[in-house]
Amino acid sequence: NAGVTQTPKFQVLKTGQSMTLQCAQDMNHNSMYWYRQDPGMGLRLIYYSASEGTTDKGEVPNGYNVSRLNKREFSLRLESAAPSQTSVYFCASSEGGQLYEQYFGPGTRLTVT
Amino acid sequence: RKEVEQDPGPFNVPEGATVAFNCTYSNSASQSFFWYRQDCRKEPKLLMSVYSSGNEDGRFTAQLNRASQYISLLIRDSKLSDSATYLCVVNRGGNQFYFGTGTSLTVIP
Repeated sequence: NAGVTQTPKFQVLKTGQSMTLQCAQDMNHNSMYWYRQDPGMGLRLIYYSASEGTTDKGEVPNGYNVSRLNKREFSLRLESAAPSQTSVYFCASSEGGQLYEQYFGPGTRLTVT
Repeated sequence: RKEVEQDPGPFNVPEGATVAFNCTYSNSASQSFFWYRQDCRKEPKLLMSVYSSGNEDGRFTAQLNRASQYISLLIRDSKLSDSATYLCVVNRGGNQFYFGTGTSLTVIP
């Protein structure tokens, strides 16, 4: 039981390049989330998927797209990376709704030069 | 105004000490509250949920004050292994969670 897995662990991009961050969970959770964590800012929600087939914007969605591929997988795409997107990205999953614990993946450290 | 505000610390305390963290939230409609723990360069993990009546888990006690819109975390008999950043998390309903910037704790031998 791996929990939440993320790939890659580290990535360096040049401005304007694109990439997709992958996330998968094996806990049969309904909801999945993408956050970014920056110094002094805390974790901020980028997008979430309350259930398979749905996605919604969070606090900071600009410059990102997501796909809920199936119940297990939720990917985050940067179409044209910018230095402001340098951050640590965490994927999380939960049973869904406000009461349930979120389980986080190990994170992806992304640097955009 | 930020949804959730925490004193970033750092808090440096000796082993065995009692330490308390507070967190304030701006939206009175907030409905659920949590404390997460994050070790250096690791992912956050749930420490405890915070219930209206307050709750305790071993050496950890969480309290909610809805009138003043703050939650607190008390750690008794601090251990070296308690050194981490503690994140306050608030939910207004649905799937949108708001995280504080975290309070750093170092327990000194």
